Amino acid sequence: DTAVSQTPKYLVTQMGNDKSIKCEQNLGHDTMYWYKQDSKKFLKIMFSYNNKELIINETVPNRFSPKSPDKAHLNLHINSLELGDSAVYFCASSPGQGFQYGYTFGSGTRLTVV
Amino acid sequence: AQSVTQLDSQVPVFEEAPVELRCNYSSSVSVYLFWYVQYPNQGLQLLLKYLSGSTLVKGINGFEAEFNKSQTSFHLRKPSVHISDTAEYFCAVSPRGTYKYIFGTGTRLKVLA
Repeated sequence: DTAVSQTPKYLVTQMGNDKSIKCEQNLGHDTMYWYKQDSKKFLKIMFSYNNKELIINETVPNRFSPKSPDKAHLNLHINSLELGDSAVYFCASSPGQGFQYGYTFGSGTRLTVV
Repeated sequence: AQSVTQLDSQVPVFEEAPVELRCNYSSSVSVYLFWYVQYPNQGLQLLLKYLSGSTLVKGINGFEAEFNKSQTSFHLRKPSVHISDTAEYFCAVSPRGTYKYIFGTGTRLKVLA
C-alpha cells in the first residue's frame, strides 16, 4: 500500500503541450503539497492545499494550476510546457498545516520537456 | 528571510566510519528543524526533527542531530555508516507560524566499501 502515489512516474513531452500529474494519499492527511526539484536537487514549494483549500501559492507561473477534488487528491496541470519546466515534481502530505508533523513524500514524477 | 546552507555537496566516507553532515540556517524567528533522506529514484523520507526540548534528537536508522541555537546549526551524525546509507540528505527549516519548508541544497553521502 503506497502512502502517497504519483502518476505518471516519467513524463516526456514536447514544448507547448499541456500535461497533468496526479497525486493520491491514503493516509487520511488533511494537507497536501507540490514541490519542484530542479537539476541541482534544490527543492521548492509550489502549492499547498488544506482540506481542498489553497493555502500556499508560491511565485509559480500561471501555467501551473493545482486542483484538489477531495482532500486525498491533489493534481497538477501544466499548460504550454516550456523547457525550463523539466524537473522532478514531488507530491507530499502531512496530518495538518503545522510543519512539526513532517511530510510523507511520493516517489516523484520526472518531467522532461523536449 | 530564511535560508538553509548545507556546506558540503558531497561527503565520501568508508563503511563503518562516523559521519557528520553539516547544516546551518538563518532565520529571524524560531524554527522547527528537520533532516530528510532521499534514496535514488525515491521521494524524501523524514529522518528526524527538532521541535523543542532536548537539543539532541535521535531519528531512524541510527542517525542523530544536535540543535545549536547560538551557532544556528543542526548537524546530522551517525557513528558508523553502512553502504545502504548512500543517499542524498536534505536539511530543512520551517519558521514557526508559517506553512513553509525551506530546504537546503542537499548533501550526497557516498559510503565506500
